[in-house]
Amino acid sequence: SAVISQKPSRDICQRGTSLTIQCQVDSQVTMMFWYRQQPGQSLTLIATANQGSEATYESGFVIDKFPISRPNLTFSTLTVSNLSPEDSSIYLCSIRDIPSYEQYFGPGTRLTVT
Amino acid sequence: QQQVKQSPQSLIVQKGGIPIINCAYENTAFDYFPWYQQFPGKGPALLIAIRPDVSEKKEGRFTISFNKSAKQFSLHIMDSQPGDSATYFCAASSWEYGNKLVFGAGTILRVKS
Repeated sequence: SAVISQKPSRDICQRGTSLTIQCQVDSQVTMMFWYRQQPGQSLTLIATANQGSEATYESGFVIDKFPISRPNLTFSTLTVSNLSPEDSSIYLCSIRDIPSYEQYFGPGTRLTVT
Repeated sequence: QQQVKQSPQSLIVQKGGIPIINCAYENTAFDYFPWYQQFPGKGPALLIAIRPDVSEKKEGRFTISFNKSAKQFSLHIMDSQPGDSATYFCAASSWEYGNKLVFGAGTILRVKS
């Protein structure tokens, strides 16, 4: 399977600032997603990152708060804007292999907002 | 309808035991059922997955049992080891909903040595 890397692996940010998370894949992939995992919780899909067009957001997530870029088939960024302590979570990049349906996750970015 | 209910929330077994984690769903359109294993500080790793046309799938010490009529599926870990201690998530997806994974709440497994 493809290798997925994320930067940064963790960060501590102040309330009101923003954090941009990078996701790099070592091969071209069509389907790329961003998830949030709040402490001790399950995974929640934020959006599907579409190459060359706007991301598709899930209910409860908006572009102003979570802008996403997908400039090519190997890279995406998620920005978490106007941070509040409630944004403290792990943010995960994920890719799907279309023929097999198999979906893989990156190592995650642990964000703490103070 | 889009929910996947996972149980138990946590599980403790002795080394060599067979922990069983169960998931139930309502949406009969679900057609892909993966299990993920997550260690602290790591992203979830795909363990094994099944489609509704088979009732059982084995990969190494991990087995999925699938009961289509009951709309339930479960993960069995044979000869469990302390290294299997992790959080396990079941999930399901349907082409009707863009094949987006819907996750269960997770089960924290501890295997005692």
